Amino acid sequence: KNEVEQSPQNLTAQEGEFITINCSYSVGISALHWLQQHPGGGIVSLFMLSSGKKKHGRLIATINIQEKHSSLHITASHPRDSAVYICAVRSRDDKIIFGKGTRLHILP
Amino acid sequence: GAGVSQSPSNKVTEKGKDVELRCDPISGHTALYWYRQRLGQGLEFLIYFQGNSAPDKSGLPSDRFSAERTGESVSTLTIQRTQQEDSAVYLCASSSGVRFSLGTQYFGPGTRLTVL
Repeated sequence: KNEVEQSPQNLTAQEGEFITINCSYSVGISALHWLQQHPGGGIVSLFMLSSGKKKHGRLIATINIQEKHSSLHITASHPRDSAVYICAVRSRDDKIIFGKGTRLHILP
Repeated sequence: GAGVSQSPSNKVTEKGKDVELRCDPISGHTALYWYRQRLGQGLEFLIYFQGNSAPDKSGLPSDRFSAERTGESVSTLTIQRTQQEDSAVYLCASSSGVRFSLGTQYFGPGTRLTVL
């Protein structure tokens, strides 16, 4: 079992739908990151969380430390949101562990 | 200003050959990371350079893999005697932030390596 599990692996939705991507982890962490990878490989950081909730535009990220779970939400999804979304954790023993990513496709 | 650049963008090689991948970090970034992304798998950390400190090589999968960086400039990742399992996208990132702070890392476009 991977130490960082994401679900779903693939998600196709219509423009405007509310999107949720989940990340569960099994190690103690100091921080959790959500990243966005566009076709062609470019990766950008969306959020870093150690507790609670963060919001940036149409993106919301939450984390529940006790349940070792984080979610990334996209409101009013748009085709330009189509990308791979990656959850990564920084473990307490200072390792970086990535999930396999969720491939999101938003249809116009 | 220019971002992180990597070359070549694509590399096809035969099993057993050596390959060298290059990363040009953002000027002034003291930290440089190499990651590997195999098809259907998550990113894997390979190696971390921070200034003139000894690099953290804990992610290198075998002694066929090595990397060099001179000061705060270009880095090269070398894979000797390539195997088909080495086929992946190799991503470089540079940062001026603390170790493994993904929020401050700027990723390059990657080099797609295919070993036939």
